[in-house]
Amino acid sequence: DIQMTQSPSSLSASVGDRVTITCRASQGISNYLAWYQQKPGKVPKLLIYAASTLQSGVPSRFSGSGSGTDFTLTISSLQPEDVATYYCQKYNSAPHTFGQGTKLEIK
Amino acid sequence: VQLLESGGGLVQPLESLRLSCAASGFTFSSYAMHWVRQAPGKGLDWVSGIGGDGGAGYADSVKGRFTISRDNSKNTLYLQMNSLRVEDTAVYYCARRYCSGDGCYPLDYWGQGALVTVSS
Repeated sequence: DIQMTQSPSSLSASVGDRVTITCRASQGISNYLAWYQQKPGKVPKLLIYAASTLQSGVPSRFSGSGSGTDFTLTISSLQPEDVATYYCQKYNSAPHTFGQGTKLEIK
Repeated sequence: VQLLESGGGLVQPLESLRLSCAASGFTFSSYAMHWVRQAPGKGLDWVSGIGGDGGAGYADSVKGRFTISRDNSKNTLYLQMNSLRVEDTAVYYCARRYCSGDGCYPLDYWGQGALVTVSS
């Protein structure tokens, strides 16, 4: 099975900073990569699909890139409401494995 | 779109439990449906998915113990969980996934989750 590895596991940044989270697949998955945001005590929310397509209603400060095995989620200017754990997920075929998550905090 | 899970609770190891997910606000039969779980304080863990045609997939950790099914006439998704283990303790979310001729998309709507606790 394909493994999904995120880095870093946790991250502390200041408001206004540019933040980048990476996700690596152990085998190529084309662009079948999604990013989710889960705020404390809340249900996961889809941010990005097809590696770089922003889900409707998601702020434009979020962006995604990559293809094959290496992917990134970027927040161009960190806002206080972006405090959350972020997960990548492969969805080309079962099992639809998630990365282990990246916990983002405000410094 | 609404997804409402039910059937969670406290069970002992090796017992069984069936979760349900009642869907509304969309054409249920046109969507694949998935179960994702989250152990307390841990990350998201994909469990199982079923297509509109009934084709299903499972995580290795639940294969042979869990069975996903759906009743399109009742707009309801199920997860039959047998031989439960302590490590199955988690909040179980149902979520929908759209597939078309252009391809498949990830999980765009999630329920609020149902807590399953396996403990002696």
